[in-house]
Amino acid sequence: AQSVTQLDSHVSVSEGTPVLLRCNYSSSYSPSLFWYVQHPNKGLQLLLKYTSAATLVKGINGFEAEFKKSETSFHLTKPSAHMSDAAEYFCVSGSARQLTFGSGTQLTVLP
Amino acid sequence: ETGVTQTPRHLVMGMTNKKSLKCEQHLGHNAMYWYKQSAKKPLELMFVYNFKEQTENNSVPSRFSPECPNSSHLFLHLHTLQPEDSALYLCASSQDEDRGPYEQYFGPGTRLTVT
Repeated sequence: AQSVTQLDSHVSVSEGTPVLLRCNYSSSYSPSLFWYVQHPNKGLQLLLKYTSAATLVKGINGFEAEFKKSETSFHLTKPSAHMSDAAEYFCVSGSARQLTFGSGTQLTVLP
Repeated sequence: ETGVTQTPRHLVMGMTNKKSLKCEQHLGHNAMYWYKQSAKKPLELMFVYNFKEQTENNSVPSRFSPECPNSSHLFLHLHTLQPEDSALYLCASSQDEDRGPYEQYFGPGTRLTVT
């Protein structure tokens, strides 16, 4: 069985400072991993996906994530936060017709 | 229009009403999904359709009835709902293949309030 654990339910950063959202996965095989973002009252938007082609994955809006098998982690980072990054972020593990969602991390960006 | 669209975006209904949610995907995918997102709870997968056939029904009450007339359209028919059914209902689609990466693309959701 797959599972994902998002280690922080809330993260606050100041505009212009780095963002780190942490995610650990549990899987008996190399999973497909994703990060999705959800702005208030909107659907989920795919930020990036890991498919085993490269351990460092670049996504939209300057986000990237690194797959570390030894640590079973897939943390999301951005060098410099923007006010528009304030949203909820979901780490997700995928298999055929089944996505397993983490509980979400609410990112607040302070001016 | 591109991506996954959902109508209506907002819906208020009484417990005795019957209404339907509509989802349409313009991505050429062959699998579609309904999710329920309630406050403070993880996303709940409700139904999965692959090539118009329902392949998953995660113990959803019969007051929710899905319909998938073709691979581009998905409906969720609602009747005699309860206040606890108030939530954001999200539709998603994907290209169902044996090999991954299995990402799903989501619509903007329908905010449902049951009074």
